[in-house]
Amino acid sequence: AQKITQTQPGMFVQEKEAVTLDCTYDTSDPSYGLFWYKQPSSGEMIFLIYQGSYDQQNATEGRYSLNFQKARKSANLVISASQLGDSAMYFCAMREALRGFGNEKLTFGTGTRLTIIP
Amino acid sequence: DGGITQSPKYLFRKEGQNVTLSCEQNLNHDAMYWYRQDPGQGLRLIYYSQIVNDFQKGDIAEGYSVSREKKESFPLTVTSAQKNPTAFYLCASGQGWGQETQYFGPGTRLLVL
Repeated sequence: AQKITQTQPGMFVQEKEAVTLDCTYDTSDPSYGLFWYKQPSSGEMIFLIYQGSYDQQNATEGRYSLNFQKARKSANLVISASQLGDSAMYFCAMREALRGFGNEKLTFGTGTRLTIIP
Repeated sequence: DGGITQSPKYLFRKEGQNVTLSCEQNLNHDAMYWYRQDPGQGLRLIYYSQIVNDFQKGDIAEGYSVSREKKESFPLTVTSAQKNPTAFYLCASGQGWGQETQYFGPGTRLLVL
């Protein structure tokens, strides 16, 4: 069974500072993918960044980067120069192969509520 | 604009009533998914479909049913057998077949009267 763990239920960060959101995962599959999604108060899940298990370099998307440490099974999200609009719930998720080729589901962690303080 | 639409935004269900949540996508994605989110928790998979006229149960399918008659549409019915339906329901789509990212709609909040 695969599992995602987010140990920080809530974080408060000063505007313009960098923030790291923790995510650890557990899988015995050699091929997997890790995702981060942002969920603002409106409820929509917004895709932020993706890291494949075979990717040699850490993924980056604008102010978002993923600190992928495969041996430690961690995939932390780093947000540089935080903004007030970054206040939201953040979910780490892992792609898990379902029955048969190409069938996939995402297994989600319980999330971290990030609040940016002006 | 390409995207995923869900309707209604809010839905109220009476005891013993079946209700249907709509999900439509114009991203030309093969795969579609339904997730349930309870307060303070992550998402759990209800049903998924990799192709038209085919769908599979996820982790919490009891009390729910789906259909996939068109590539663009994947409606979810919450039946009276679902004893605790109050939750936030999210529909997602993706290219499937080993392609990576799932994209989500805005969600439907279901409340029981």
